[in-house]
Amino acid sequence: GPKVLQIPSHQIIDMGQMVTLNCDPVSNHLYFYWYKQILGQQMEFLVNFYNGKVMEKSKLFKDQFSVERPDGSYFTLKIQPTALEDSAVYFCASQGQGAETLYFGSGTRLTVL
Amino acid sequence: GEKVEQHESTLSVREGDSAVINCTYTDTASSYFPWYKQEAGKSLHFVIDIRSNVDRKQSQRLIVLLDKKAKRFSLHITATQPEDSAIYFCAASRQTGNTGKLIFGLGTTLQVQP
Repeated sequence: GPKVLQIPSHQIIDMGQMVTLNCDPVSNHLYFYWYKQILGQQMEFLVNFYNGKVMEKSKLFKDQFSVERPDGSYFTLKIQPTALEDSAVYFCASQGQGAETLYFGSGTRLTVL
Repeated sequence: GEKVEQHESTLSVREGDSAVINCTYTDTASSYFPWYKQEAGKSLHFVIDIRSNVDRKQSQRLIVLLDKKAKRFSLHITATQPEDSAIYFCAASRQTGNTGKLIFGLGTTLQVQP
């Protein structure tokens, strides 16, 4: 079936550094999402993105976070600067126009030291 | 904030038996309830969903029941097979269509013993 790829699967960085998480969504999908899962907790909605714009974001989507999808390439989540509490697994998802099903990637495990 | 509680953190059944995973939600405006399955090392994979205009939906061996009054929904897997072993996540959302703002449960690890 359709696949969402996330690169890298693991990332370790020092606090204060910038990190970019990459997501290659399903090719004809137009809606994109990031979810965050801290170890032992629920997966939580961060942001959704359509037509080059953030449509909705949660309180977890701090000012240090940004998303973009330049020229139909990767959908990215950038955190600058990172903090210890950003350590989590970040899941990307994409969705087709008028569809309800979200297709998820395998997640990127981010460790901030 | 709004929550989805998934009542069983782990569930073990024998092959051929049924498995039931129960979830409750707090947001009365929830109208869309999907279920996802995650096998070891893989991404979440959609399995079945139900909308608030019905109280039962079946897809092959999967049955979803919705009780809006009790704000409860459940996934029934009949005639379980070892390949059903995975983590199952329930979720709820206020809107159908292109929203994607799902509130997830914590997940239930289902083990089907051969």
